[in-house]
Amino acid sequence: DAGVIQSPRHEVTEMGQEVTLRCKPISGHDYLFWYRQTMMRGLELLIYFNNNVPIDDSGMPEDRFSAKMPNASFSTLKIQPSEPRDSAVYFCASRSGGRTEAFFGQGTRLTVV
Amino acid sequence: AQTVTQSQPEMSVQEAETVTLSCTYDTSENNYYLFWYKQPPSRQMILVIRQEAYKQQNATENRFSVNFQKAAKSFSLKISDSQLGDTAMYFCAFMPGTYKYIFGTGTRLKVLA
Repeated sequence: DAGVIQSPRHEVTEMGQEVTLRCKPISGHDYLFWYRQTMMRGLELLIYFNNNVPIDDSGMPEDRFSAKMPNASFSTLKIQPSEPRDSAVYFCASRSGGRTEAFFGQGTRLTVV
Repeated sequence: AQTVTQSQPEMSVQEAETVTLSCTYDTSENNYYLFWYKQPPSRQMILVIRQEAYKQQNATENRFSVNFQKAAKSFSLKISDSQLGDTAMYFCAFMPGTYKYIFGTGTRLKVLA
């Protein structure tokens, strides 16, 4: 198995632009998580899905952030418009409902200038 | 609110020595899981060890072991015979019945030659 695949690995964008981060979970996993990592706040849960349905989006910072999971093999996290304070590493993780371990992608380092 | 606290932002240890990383958490739930994840410079999140709250026996994985004190809500990680490859960021995580992972802010461990 290729593991959780995220793209792009690095993204540099200008303030005000739309940014879309992508994630392909491990096949057969029914939970998908989006996390944001910063030095100050560590790993923060933004949103998670179960069977493609958003269960908890209380961590989404504001309306500029949105996430979708149109099918079991793909999810996106969109920021529109982006701001410099959104600069962080964004991780996607997936988990099988029968297991406790979450598997993480390599993350996307986002820099908003 | 359910929180995870790692009070040691940075630590260092000599190669072959033993080091203990601290973690405390806050929850009113009785059944949950605890984890330690390692994040080396490659940014990949790697599961080191996990503990089920209903098990009194402390989990061990080769050179890694935990000291789980449920009443004190403490979950420390002990690394024995430290190796240079153990240099990484270590995150303590907690998964309550809601199935989402709550992470601490991390401890940066440096193993010195």
